[in-house]
Amino acid sequence: NAGVTQTPKFRILKIGQSMTLQCTQDMNHNYMYWYRQDPGMGLKLIYYSVGAGITDKGEVPNGYNVSRSTTEDFPLRLELAAPSQTSVYFCASIAGTAYNEQFFGPGTRLTVL
Amino acid sequence: GQQVMQIPQYQHVQEGEDFTTYCNSSTTLSNIQWYKQRPGGHPVFLIQLVKSGEVKKQKRLTFQFGEAKKNSSLHITATQTTDVGTYFCAGRTGGGNKLTFGTGTQLKVEL
Repeated sequence: NAGVTQTPKFRILKIGQSMTLQCTQDMNHNYMYWYRQDPGMGLKLIYYSVGAGITDKGEVPNGYNVSRSTTEDFPLRLELAAPSQTSVYFCASIAGTAYNEQFFGPGTRLTVL
Repeated sequence: GQQVMQIPQYQHVQEGEDFTTYCNSSTTLSNIQWYKQRPGGHPVFLIQLVKSGEVKKQKRLTFQFGEAKKNSSLHITATQTTDVGTYFCAGRTGGGNKLTFGTGTQLKVEL
């Protein structure tokens, strides 16, 4: 298994541009999460999904959108990028119940200039 | 909303010294998890605690969950350079599907 994969690894955006961060897991996990981590800070939950077709907001959802059309994929969409969205974005998934460990992807480092 | 704080924010130790990070939640937790993130890496799961007063050990690492299930600690005995990284606690309330991550403690180990 490749686990949780994220693309791209790095990206520089101009203010106002949009992009989609890809996240795929091949472990048949139902629960998937998107976090952002600002320099020297903890992880903030953006959106999460408990299964295909079901998504819900986390702590910091403004400026982002998600979809979950399949179990494997959970893309994160940034519309109208702003400098405040400069961060490292991590995708994670959980097997079984939400009480199990989270498996994280390698992250996408995004800079908005 | 739920807040999870960790202290200290940073810790420098000499190799061989002990290290402890403390995690405090504003609300009672149903369980708590600990993760380690190496510099430039992603968080990696270490352990989960569920029961009040629970203590678990992994080699040189000892994890505790407070009696009131609002705090937790991670203690590393005789640190090594491989322990370098940021340690996060993450708590869950009730039957929710979300974890709230702590602010993290960055550990640096000097030879």
